[in-house]
Amino acid sequence: KAGVTQTPRYLIKTRGQQVTLSCSPISGHRSVSWYQQTPGQGLQFLFEYFSETQRNKGNFPGRFSGRQFSNSRSEMNVSTLELGDSALYLCASSLGETGFDEAFFGQGTRLTVV
Amino acid sequence: GESVGLHLPTLSVQEGDNSIINCAYSNSASDYFIWYKQESGKGPQFIIDIRSNMDKRQGQRVTVLLNKTVKHLSLQIAATQPGDSAVYFCAENISGGYQKVTFGTGTKLQVIP
Repeated sequence: KAGVTQTPRYLIKTRGQQVTLSCSPISGHRSVSWYQQTPGQGLQFLFEYFSETQRNKGNFPGRFSGRQFSNSRSEMNVSTLELGDSALYLCASSLGETGFDEAFFGQGTRLTVV
Repeated sequence: GESVGLHLPTLSVQEGDNSIINCAYSNSASDYFIWYKQESGKGPQFIIDIRSNMDKRQGQRVTVLLNKTVKHLSLQIAATQPGDSAVYFCAENISGGYQKVTFGTGTKLQVIP
């Protein structure tokens, strides 16, 4: 069974640009969550999607958005990039039916904003 | 706001010894706790979980203990091996039935051969 796939693995963008990251969950998983990981703030929850609907959102500005497609694949978008957006962005997938699901993480996308 | 934190940022143990990683959480409404292991360049990997109606859960070489009275979680690794070297995160799932895991800051475990 294939794991969670995130693309691209590495990305360098210029301040002010926008970026789109992709996440393909494990087959059969309907929940996809996104996290930002930085040395200073650790792992922080961005948002969670289930069956194309955003069910939960963390405390991030509106520049951070996401969506989920009918095949459960998800994308997150960051507009007007700032230097502080440099981070490892992780997505996790789970069955999503209850709050007790084990979540499986992808390898992450390393975003560097210059 | 609610947070999950770790007592020790770095833990060094001799190979073969037991490791204990501690975690404090502040949200009394949390009902599901998870320990993750993250190796360099990889995403977090699930180790073991425990629900709030349990005090202890054992896996292969790992045990998680939950003390709801003092809001404390610990991960015990028996016979620590070099492959256990990683950053360990405790996390809590905010009740509501949805995936909204809140992670602690992490503890780096260094295994000395």
